[in-house]
Amino acid sequence: SYELTQPLSVSVAVGQTASIPCEGYKLGTKNVHWYQQKAGQAPLLVIYRDKNRPSGIPERFSGSNSGNTATLTISGVQGVDEAAYYCQVWDGKTVHHVFGPGTTVTV
Amino acid sequence: QVHLVESGGGAVQPGRSLRLSCAGSGFTFSSYGMHWVRQAPGKGLEWVALIWADGNSKIFADAVKGRFTISRDNSKSTLFLEMNSLRVEDTATYFCARVGVDIDVNSIDMWGLGTKVTVSS
Repeated sequence: SYELTQPLSVSVAVGQTASIPCEGYKLGTKNVHWYQQKAGQAPLLVIYRDKNRPSGIPERFSGSNSGNTATLTISGVQGVDEAAYYCQVWDGKTVHHVFGPGTTVTV
Repeated sequence: QVHLVESGGGAVQPGRSLRLSCAGSGFTFSSYGMHWVRQAPGKGLEWVALIWADGNSKIFADAVKGRFTISRDNSKSTLFLEMNSLRVEDTATYFCARVGVDIDVNSIDMWGLGTKVTVSS
């Protein structure tokens, strides 16, 4: 089965930049989607297809994907960005959707 | 406004069954594929199942294949998850979620608030 790995946690000061990696075999050949989940809430799509922001998502959220690593970047981190972030892909080989284990961002 | 509201969760003993429902509103339910995704207490997201918009195709995670069934009633804008032979490890909050057809069919663009399922003797 296809697996994604993420660091357990990332700490960042207000106003700084947070980079959250997501690793998987030949991940750059897949479309990666990112979700934010605040404590006690439902997840929210923040980046789709590697680097695109849905309507209403602030510009400080951006993404990239190359090789074996996709990265979610939050520029000028704010306190409201404190949350768990999950990467997700569709694996056509297993015909499964796969989530990464999640990274908790502490501000 | 788009809404997904899950119901049917609760406490159940191992080996028993439970049926979850998810009511959609504010969008054309019959035009969207729908997922179930679960989250065990303190853990990450785990994809469970997907049903196509017309209900004719379904896929399941290995952990639930053969025990869970996903279905839908487009006339009532409702999604279902029939869970049989429940195990302790099925304990989780179950979210229904919408396929992001308008942006990327492999993304999820809308989530419900979830319903809790506890499997314990």
